[in-house]
Amino acid sequence: QKEVEQNSGPLSVPEGAIASLNCTYSDRGSQSFFWYRQYSGKSPELIMSIYSNGDKEDGRFTAQLNKASQYVSLLIRDSQPSDSATYLCAVTRSGGSYIPTFGRGTSLIVHP
Amino acid sequence: DAGVIQSPRHEVTEMGQEVTLRCKPISGHNSLFWYRQTMMRGLELLIYFNNNVPIDDSGMPEDRFSAKMPNASFSTLKIQPSEPRDSAVYFCASTFLAADYNEQFFGPGTRLTVL
Repeated sequence: QKEVEQNSGPLSVPEGAIASLNCTYSDRGSQSFFWYRQYSGKSPELIMSIYSNGDKEDGRFTAQLNKASQYVSLLIRDSQPSDSATYLCAVTRSGGSYIPTFGRGTSLIVHP
Repeated sequence: DAGVIQSPRHEVTEMGQEVTLRCKPISGHNSLFWYRQTMMRGLELLIYFNNNVPIDDSGMPEDRFSAKMPNASFSTLKIQPSEPRDSAVYFCASTFLAADYNEQFFGPGTRLTVL
């Protein structure tokens, strides 16, 4: 069983701080990595995708991938209360199926 | 585009009843996914279709669950008979499945309560 592991949290950070969310995965052949945000009572929405080692920045969000360590992270700079949500890490299975396996998510709370 | 459409948004039923959940994917997408989300197990893939054909149903928990996709714009997930442990939020998602582009777009979900 291919696993995607996340700390369930909650991770609590003050407004304006950097929030760091982490994810590890077991399938060494995984090629695509995603971060979804899910507000309470809502459906997941994609906020970042990353496919190669290194950093990828999009506004206040930075995704970091290290395939050798089987580790992907999401940094949120200048955290806002509106960032409070559950963040799901998704990793595609190896073998070319492109089907994602989701972690159980990390709850982030940004307090004013 | 209206996005992925699911109905009903909420369903309350009694144990033993048949439940049918419906999904309309985004036009042009070639793959459709059914997920179940609970606090205990997180987001679980139940089944996915590619070009209307079921590809992987290994996540379907039991024979009580069945899914169909008769055409590119409609899919159903049926539970018969339903049990209290089926209570969860069921999401449908669609995407155009291809290398390096498989962002999934989720519908609003159906919150199912089986009494």
